[in-house]
Amino acid sequence: AQTVTQSQPEMSVQEAETVTLSCTYDTSESNYYLFWYKQPPSRQMILVIRQEAYKQQNATENRFSVNFQKAAKSFSLKISDSQLGDTAMYFCAFMASNTGNQFYFGTGTSLTVIP
Amino acid sequence: DAGVTQSPTHLIKTRGQQVTLRCSPKSGHDTVSWYQQALGQGPQFIFQYYEEEERQRGNFPDRFSGHQFPNYSSELNVNALLLGDSALYLCASSPGFGGYTFGSGTRLTVV
Repeated sequence: AQTVTQSQPEMSVQEAETVTLSCTYDTSESNYYLFWYKQPPSRQMILVIRQEAYKQQNATENRFSVNFQKAAKSFSLKISDSQLGDTAMYFCAFMASNTGNQFYFGTGTSLTVIP
Repeated sequence: DAGVTQSPTHLIKTRGQQVTLRCSPKSGHDTVSWYQQALGQGPQFIFQYYEEEERQRGNFPDRFSGHQFPNYSSELNVNALLLGDSALYLCASSPGFGGYTFGSGTRLTVV
């Protein structure tokens, strides 16, 4: 079974500063994908960034980047130049490559960007 | 281009009743997954439909059932509602594997 753990229930950051959200996971799978999703008050889950486990290079999407440590099973999200619109719940998620049929989500981190 | 549409957005039901939630996938998507998100938790996988059949199921009782129609839209049915079924129900569609798009969910309250 796969498990995803987010140990920071709430975080805050000043506008324009940088914040890092932590995520660890446990799996016996060798091929998988990791994701960070954002859930604003509108409730829709929005993909922030995705990492393929076989890629050593950390994924980057504009102000968002990850630190993927496969051996440590760690997958943190760094948000640079934080903006008010980044305020949301952030969920770390895992999906095995061989099935690709279901996400395993963590319990989320509530991020507040302070003006 | 419409994304994933879910209806209704909110509803309130009484314990023991039955409920049907609906999902229209994004254009071009043929696979629909359903998730339950309890308050303060991450979404949990209920099941996935592809070609009108349940392809995979999570750890949910048989009270949870679904259906996919030829136009790829889907329904989630929950029978004999319990207070613990109160949650946000999310639908996600995809064009086969990958490229998932989520809807904004249906907030179900059981009283």
